[in-house]
Order: sequence, then C-alpha cells, then structure tokens
Amino acid sequence: DVQMTQSPSTLSASVGDRVTITCRASQSISTWLAWYQQKPGKAPKLLIYKASSLESGVPSRFSGSGSGTEFTLTISSLQPDDFATYYCQQYNSYWTFGQGTKVEIK
Amino acid sequence: EVQLVESGGGLVQPGGSLRLSCAASGFTFSSYSMNWVRQAPGKGLEWVSYIFSTTTAIYYADSVKGRFTISRDNAKNSLSLQMNSLRDEDSGIYYCARDQTAGFNTQAFAIWGQGTMVTVSS
Repeated sequence: DVQMTQSPSTLSASVGDRVTITCRASQSISTWLAWYQQKPGKAPKLLIYKASSLESGVPSRFSGSGSGTEFTLTISSLQPDDFATYYCQQYNSYWTFGQGTKVEIK
Repeated sequence: EVQLVESGGGLVQPGGSLRLSCAASGFTFSSYSMNWVRQAPGKGLEWVSYIFSTTTAIYYADSVKGRFTISRDNAKNSLSLQMNSLRDEDSGIYYCARDQTAGFNTQAFAIWGQGTMVTVSS
C-alpha cells in the first residue's frame, strides 16, 4: 500500500503570506497526485490534479509541483477564504489520502 | 447542475447493516466511475470503494473488504453501498465522489456529494 505523509499537520499564517504544504509518498507515484481543500462541515473540493494541473475555477494563487515521492502545494498569497484543511491524495495505486494540514489564522 | 446527493445514513448497532444511496444528476452517470470516501469524526479522509462505469471493475479498501458491497444502477443514475457487520470504527460521514473524467485509469475525484452520517453505537 502507498502511504502518504503530509507536513506540517497545522500551519499558522496571516493573510498575504506564502504558504507551502509538503506531501511525501512511501513509493514513487509519478505525478498521480491531487490536492483537496476542505472547510468545516463541507465536502472536499478538488484544487490540483496530476501534481500541477489547476482544476477549473480554482484561483491561480494555488499551485502544485513535484513528482515521484515528494510534492508541494503552494498558496502564493493567502486569502481569508483559504483557511481550511488541505489533503493530498495519490491515485497511482488505488487511492490514499494524507492525514491533512490545517491552515489556521496566526 | 452537476450534483450528487447521498442518503441512508443513521444510527445502527454494532453488527448491524445499513444501505447508503447516492443520486446523481446533471451529467451522464453511466460514463463515470464512482467512489465512496468516508471521514471519521474529527479525522481525515479514507477511500472506501470504487466501481467502474460498467461495473466490470470493483475495488474495496482492506478495512471494509468482505463486509461492504458497492453497486450502481445506471438506468436510475444511482450508486449504493451496502454495509454489513458494522463496527464502531465505521462511524463517520460517507461521501460519494465522481471521477474527474470518463475513463478506466485511476483518477482524482472532481465531484463530491454533501455526505451522509453513519453512527455505529450501542
């Protein structure tokens, strides 16, 4: 099974900050990686697929990079609507989610 | 509008059964693979099961294999999850989720329902 490990688990940041979340896979998954945003009481929302492709309608301040076993999600300038929990997901071999990164207000 | 609406959640005793449903609308349901994903209270996301558009491929997470059964009715635009021998650790919100595009390769999940709550407790 492919294990996904996100860091940090919690991140405190201010509006306007550049934020980076890391996701590591236990084995190579090429670029079969997605990022989701989830707000309390809501379903997850797809942000990034195939490691770096932006889903339609997602603001360009979100970007993804990486391949193999190491990936990053970057928010270039954090906005009030971005405070949420973010999950990575591999889909190279079945589907596995990371444990999540909560982005909270500093 | 593309939409998924889950139903069927509730309170059930350990060892009991429950059947979840997901009604799809706004897209050609028969062309897309579908999934169930769950989230225990205060915890992260866990993929549960997958079914290909024509039902020729079905997969389960090890944690539910042998207890849960996924199915679909393309004529009724409906996805189901039959859950038997339920355990405390099966409690949580269950989401149905649609693959991003029509096709057989594994994909990200582009469309999600609002979820239905399952509580397993005596």
